[in-house]
Amino acid sequence: GENVEQHPSTLSVQEGDSAVIKCTYSDSASNYFPWYKQELGKRPQLIIDIRSNVGEKKDQRIAVTLNKTAKHFSLHITETQPEDSAVYFCAASIPSIQGAQKLVFGQGTRLTINP
Amino acid sequence: NAGVTQTPKFQVLKTGQSMTLQCAQDMNHNSMYWYRQDPGMGLRLIYYSASEGTTDKGEVPNGYNVSRLNKREFSLRLESAAPSQTSVYFCASSEGPENQPQHFGDGTRLSIL
Repeated sequence: GENVEQHPSTLSVQEGDSAVIKCTYSDSASNYFPWYKQELGKRPQLIIDIRSNVGEKKDQRIAVTLNKTAKHFSLHITETQPEDSAVYFCAASIPSIQGAQKLVFGQGTRLTINP
Repeated sequence: NAGVTQTPKFQVLKTGQSMTLQCAQDMNHNSMYWYRQDPGMGLRLIYYSASEGTTDKGEVPNGYNVSRLNKREFSLRLESAAPSQTSVYFCASSEGPENQPQHFGDGTRLSIL
């Protein structure tokens, strides 16, 4: 089945610097790759997603890149701010005959922004 | 706009007790999901429902059952709780078909003693 590996598990950057989190997946049939941000004790919240027909997507300070050949995708956060501190999860979809979208999540990256 | 609502928010059970976690969404979504989240392991899919009237197993279904009561509601049942089921449980929903974002509820924190 699908396996998603996420690195690093912890990341500490200075405020204003950039942060990059990387994920690899194993199932070449995966075609949807969301990223979630989870603050302590809160629900995971979608911050950006990318579909397999697109190589890069940006939303203000956040961008995601996808390399389907190499089966990896990355989250880039520029001009980091203290409120970016959280745990970030990547995920990859597993196609389903029934039409539902099953996601396999990475293990998470705890991002800390130092003032 | 409530989105995905889970009840209860917290629960403590004794080993062997049974319990049903409730989930309801008001976004007219077709698909619903149950995940568990353990420290250092991300979210793992327990069961999902592609549409009203259908359910299927995810990665870690053992020890759980589900019911898609109607389009809005999807419940998760622990028939005989075990300490290994201590976790945070999240319900999610999506429009369906594939490649649509999943929206999560606030979670239920469950402890089995």
